[in-house]
Amino acid sequence: AQSVAQPEDQVNVAEGNPLTVKCTYSVSGNPYLFWYVQYPNRGLQFLLKYITGDNLVKGSYGFEAEFNKSQTSFHLKKPSALVSDSALYFCAVRHRDSSYKLIFGSGTRLLVRP
Amino acid sequence: DTGVSQNPRHKITKRGQNVTFRCDPISEHNRLYWYRQTLGQGPEFLTYFQNEAQLEKSRLLSDRFSAERPKGSFSTLEIQRTEQGDSAMYLCASSSETGVGNTIYFGEGSWLTVV
Repeated sequence: AQSVAQPEDQVNVAEGNPLTVKCTYSVSGNPYLFWYVQYPNRGLQFLLKYITGDNLVKGSYGFEAEFNKSQTSFHLKKPSALVSDSALYFCAVRHRDSSYKLIFGSGTRLLVRP
Repeated sequence: DTGVSQNPRHKITKRGQNVTFRCDPISEHNRLYWYRQTLGQGPEFLTYFQNEAQLEKSRLLSDRFSAERPKGSFSTLEIQRTEQGDSAMYLCASSSETGVGNTIYFGEGSWLTVV
C-alpha cells in the first residue's frame, strides 16, 4: 500500500535557525513528490515538487527539499526560519501512473519562536 | 488567474439535513478533485473529474455523497442526510492536463460542522 510518513507531529525552531521537516514515503516506482503548507483555517498552498533531475528542489518562500531515493525521503528544509513560517506542512506523493491522486502525510506543525 | 474558489467557506447544519458545496477551478484547468480533511489529519482523496467525466470515486464517498461537474467547469459536492462524522473541511483542487507531474492547486476549503 502507498503511504507517506511524517514522523514528527511538531517541529520547534528558533527564528534564524535552519529547519528540517521530515518525510518518508512508500510508493512503488518513482513517484512525484510535493510539499504543501497550510495556515490556520486556510486551504493548502503549493510549496515545491520533485519530478526528476536534481535531487535538491527549490520552492517558494526560500524553502527547498532534498530527494533521497535510497532512503525514500523528501525532507523539507530552510536555511533560516522566520516566525511567519509557523504553519502546518504536508508532504504528498503521486504515483507516476496516476494522474490525479495525491496521498498525504498526517502533517507536521512547525513552530518558529522569536 | 484567480485560483480555486470554494463556497460557502463555512456551513453549520443540523444532522439529517442536506448540504451542497460549490467549487470553481482555475479557468484553464480541466481536472478537478475533491478531498476531505479532518482535524489532525492530512487530506484524503474523495473523487476526481476530467472535464465533465467523474473518473474515480474513493470508498470514502458513501452513497450519501454525490459530486457533479455538469459542463466541465464548476463542480458541486452534495452530502445528503448529514451525520456528525461528516464534519470536516472539504477541499477542492484543480490541475491542467498538460505538463509532467502537474501541480494540483487547492482552494481555501469549505468547513462543514454537523450539529
